[in-house]
Parts: sequence; structure tokens; C-alpha cells
Amino acid sequence: SQQGEEDPQALSIQEGENATMNCSYKTSINNLQWYRQNSGRGLVHLILIRSNEREKHSGRLRVTLDTSKKSSSLLITASRAADTASYFCATGVTGGGNKLTFGTGTQLKVEL
Amino acid sequence: NAGVMQNPRHLVRRRGQEARLRCSPMKGHSHVYWYRQLPEEGLKFMVYLQKENIIDESGMPKERFSAEFPKEGPSILRIQQVVRGDSAAYFCASSPPPQGNQPQHFGDGTRLSIL
Repeated sequence: SQQGEEDPQALSIQEGENATMNCSYKTSINNLQWYRQNSGRGLVHLILIRSNEREKHSGRLRVTLDTSKKSSSLLITASRAADTASYFCATGVTGGGNKLTFGTGTQLKVEL
Repeated sequence: NAGVMQNPRHLVRRRGQEARLRCSPMKGHSHVYWYRQLPEEGLKFMVYLQKENIIDESGMPKERFSAEFPKEGPSILRIQQVVRGDSAAYFCASSPPPQGNQPQHFGDGTRLSIL
């Protein structure tokens, strides 16, 4: 299976609720990044967490990284309709230069 | 501050024709990456270039695909003799010279459709 798989594949919540997405990967990494993609658009970088970090915050976003389990989670608190998008994790792999390996994504829908 | 610019946004080609996709990196960025996204899938790495040099092309198909990033002008991803399976969204990203961990900045992509 692929490096970087998100879970769930799709998530539908009400505005104001929290959304949690998970990502698993297989190889040793330098960093893990989360990106958002709105329909028909490019990817927007959200947050980067280094392999020696365990948790990071940015506004309503909270990312955790567990290198022993090779997994990460993205939490979006107090979701808004504008958060509706696909979310991808991407890993910078040790010895892989600067290229990113992307997961399959979680489609988040936030309903009013 | 202009971001990563890709053109065209949409490109339609018939089987056997050539497709040229262009990418201008963000100002100050010297490194360019190309990714391909099939419907309902994540992005797959294709090639990583800096000016006049291909650094990593491990994700490029062995035939028909080529990429360049000349000293002057945009990076070009070229697909010769296109086939239906080449239909996808092609994204370009750029970064400054990699020094440790840093994000890549993406363009809005070129959606290639093969008739």
C-alpha cells in the first residue's frame, strides 16, 4: 500500500464541530506536512511538523506526530463551512531529497 | 507577491499530439517540482529540478515525458504522443534551495484532457 494513507476517506460534520483526520506512513521521515486542496485548485500548505516534534499548533489547527506508530493526526477545531476541502498529508522521506510523498486524502465537508 | 503560476489551466489534446505545460516558480525560488494527480487520488511525484539541472526524475515515466527548467523562462513539462491515460491534473510546486525542512508552494495546476 501507499506511503501516507489518510483516514477517514470522507468526513461530514456540522459547522462548529471538530474534525480529526489521521495519516499513516511506512518509511522513516524528515518531516510530515498537511495540505488543503479546494475543488479545482492547487494545494495550500497548512502546517509542517518535524520528525523530532510531537505536536504543533497553528490557529485552529493542531497536528500530532507519533513516529513510533508512524502516524499523524490533524485536528481542525470549531470548523467552518469554508473548511470544506480535501486534506492531504505528505511526507518528506529520509534520503528522499526534497520531494514529497502524498497520501490519498480525506474529503471534509462542513455543513451549515 | 505572485505565487506559482501554471499555464494553461486547461489543455485538451488528441491522442498522438504533444502537450506542453508551463510553470513559473515563486519569486526567489530556484527549485521546481512536478506532480501528477489522477481523479480521486493524491499527488504523485514526477520530477524535481533546479535551474538547468534535473535533480530527481525517479517519478517520470521512462518514455514520452520530459522536463526542463532553463536558465531563463519557466519550467516545462512536455508529454509527447499523448494517450488517454495521460489525462490528469499536473501540479507544479516551488521552493527556495532546500535547507532542512520547508514547505513547497503549489500552483493551481493544469488539467490535461486527452480526446
